[in-house]
Amino acid sequence: AQRVTQPEKLLSVFKGAPVELKCNYSYSGSPELFWYVQYSRQRLQLLLRHISRESIKGFTADLNKGETSFHLKKPFAQEEDSAMYYCALRSRASGGYNKLIFGAGTRLAVHP
Amino acid sequence: DAGVTQSPTHLIKTRGQQVTLRCSPISGHKSVSWYQQVLGQGPQFIFQYYEKEERGRGNFPDRFSARQFPNYSSELNVNALLLGDSALYLCASSPTSALNEQFFGPGTRLTVL
Repeated sequence: AQRVTQPEKLLSVFKGAPVELKCNYSYSGSPELFWYVQYSRQRLQLLLRHISRESIKGFTADLNKGETSFHLKKPFAQEEDSAMYYCALRSRASGGYNKLIFGAGTRLAVHP
Repeated sequence: DAGVTQSPTHLIKTRGQQVTLRCSPISGHKSVSWYQQVLGQGPQFIFQYYEKEERGRGNFPDRFSARQFPNYSSELNVNALLLGDSALYLCASSPTSALNEQFFGPGTRLTVL
């Protein structure tokens, strides 16, 4: 079964502390993974994708196929990082069909 | 460009009724995807349309249908509404069918009484 699991509903840290938002996936093919973020009163937006291997707003995420994980990390959290974070998996089927499978999300709260 | 727009913002219906939700993609984007987000959960994929053809379908009953128009706008229709259809319905557009980067609209909040 294709599935994305985010085990923590809420992650609460203090400003300047390291952050790790966990994401595990189940997928039989070659996975393509994304992190989406939703700030308060804003739309859901793409944060980063594993294929780009980029750092956005200080966040990075490494795909670990052995552990089937794609954890989101930031060494020093800022208050403006407080938001809802969703991990997503792109599933590709025959005939060019695609679908995006989201996890349940983790709310990150960064306290001053 | 205002980004992806959706209408209406809120909607209240009763069980058994039918509803139509509308989405206008970003100019130049040919793909529109629909998601259902129930409170406390992540978005669940319903459909993807690209160049007016269905290119992806999630695990939703046949009561859910959609279409895409020549101007790439899209409608999502839900028939025979159930209480469990109450959710935020999100539309997202992207330039291609690959779902590499999607731009989301603000959503339509549907309440079924």
